[in-house]
Amino acid sequence: EPEVTQTPSHQVTQMGQEVILRCVPISNHLYFYWYRQILGQKVEFLVSFYNNEISEKSEIFDDQFSVERPDGSNFTLKIRSTKLEDSAMYFCASSSSGNNEQFFGPGTRLTVL
Amino acid sequence: EDQVTQSPEALRLQEGESSSLNCSYTVSGLRGLFWYRQDPGKGPEFLFTLYSAGEEKEKERLKATLTKKESFLHITAPKPEDSATYLCAVQPRDYKLSFGAGTTVTVRA
Repeated sequence: EPEVTQTPSHQVTQMGQEVILRCVPISNHLYFYWYRQILGQKVEFLVSFYNNEISEKSEIFDDQFSVERPDGSNFTLKIRSTKLEDSAMYFCASSSSGNNEQFFGPGTRLTVL
Repeated sequence: EDQVTQSPEALRLQEGESSSLNCSYTVSGLRGLFWYRQDPGKGPEFLFTLYSAGEEKEKERLKATLTKKESFLHITAPKPEDSATYLCAVQPRDYKLSFGAGTTVTVRA
């Protein structure tokens, strides 16, 4: 069964460093998303991406964040200068259309020290 | 602003003891309501999509229903492997899902 994959599973970084989280969405999906979940809190929407551009973003997704689809299979989230409060699980998701079910990856646990 | 409230926060059940989880929502318009299961340290696993009031979906021991203001997830004769956090999410328009805080279900053998 097709699934969303994410790498790495755990990333530890120093405050102020740049990190890139990677995702491989389900191959025939056209819509891609990033969410995050701070420990013990709700899953929060960050950004959606369709047709090589951002279609929607939340207030959390400020200038420190960027997304890219560098090739036909990968989808990345970059945080330019990490802060302590960026520590969270980051989930990538994909869907076949904008209002269909979204399938989530296993997540990347980001720890900022 | 979209609001999704799930209750109860936690539910402890004996194996075979059926129960229901509630998801109440306030949105400007509803494109879809989604139920996910999340195990500790894992990503949300898709269960159901409901699009209109009166709609029902079933999968094994789970059944989801939808009204204009809330959705219910019924668990019939649960087993220990049904222990997880169940998340409700609403989609008022394309793309973004707004999640509730979840209901953590523990089923004892």
